[in-house]
Amino acid sequence: AQSVTQLDSQVPVFEEAPVELRCNYSSSVSVYLFWYVQYPNQGLQLLLKYLSGSTLVKGINGFEAEFNKSQTSFHLRKPSVHISDTAEYFCAVRGIQGAQKLVFGQGTRLTINP
Amino acid sequence: DGGITQSPKYLFRKEGQNVTLSCEQNLNHDAMYWYRQDPGQGLRLIYYSQIVNDFQKGDIAEGYSVSREKKESFPLTVTSAQKNPTAFYLCASSFPGQGTSDTQYFGPGTRLTVL
Repeated sequence: AQSVTQLDSQVPVFEEAPVELRCNYSSSVSVYLFWYVQYPNQGLQLLLKYLSGSTLVKGINGFEAEFNKSQTSFHLRKPSVHISDTAEYFCAVRGIQGAQKLVFGQGTRLTINP
Repeated sequence: DGGITQSPKYLFRKEGQNVTLSCEQNLNHDAMYWYRQDPGQGLRLIYYSQIVNDFQKGDIAEGYSVSREKKESFPLTVTSAQKNPTAFYLCASSFPGQGTSDTQYFGPGTRLTVL
């Protein structure tokens, strides 16, 4: 079984500042990792995913994440945020074998202040 | 346009009534999923189906039922046995298999309020 911990429930930052949203996971097997974004009253949109290969993954809207197997982390970063990045961000994990069940973290609400 | 549709967007029901939430996809995906979202708790899996006429319970299946008679459709019924049904419900689909095509894509959600 897998579990995901998003270490911050809320992250406030100023516009154009850098941001890091932290995600740690636990699993006894190899995993795939995902970051999704949710704007108010909408579904989830995939930001980026790590399946294999390079540990630095680039996604949409200027976001990137780095897979660190030794620290079981998959932190999301953006060098300069915009007001439009205000949303809730979810980290998710699934084992590479078996059913396609995603396990989600509790979410991090990112608020961008002008 | 290809995608996942959920209807209605907002749904109000009286306590004790069953209610069915619709989920349709035209992505030709084999697998479909239902999640429940509550504030501060992330998403929790209710049911999932990897192929037509087959489905499995997720982590919080009690008080819910599903059917998968067609590849495109995976309706969720919230029964009167569900103790706290007010929540945001999200449907997703994926094309199972290892590699780049296993990503889950989500619908816009249905917000259910039980009065």
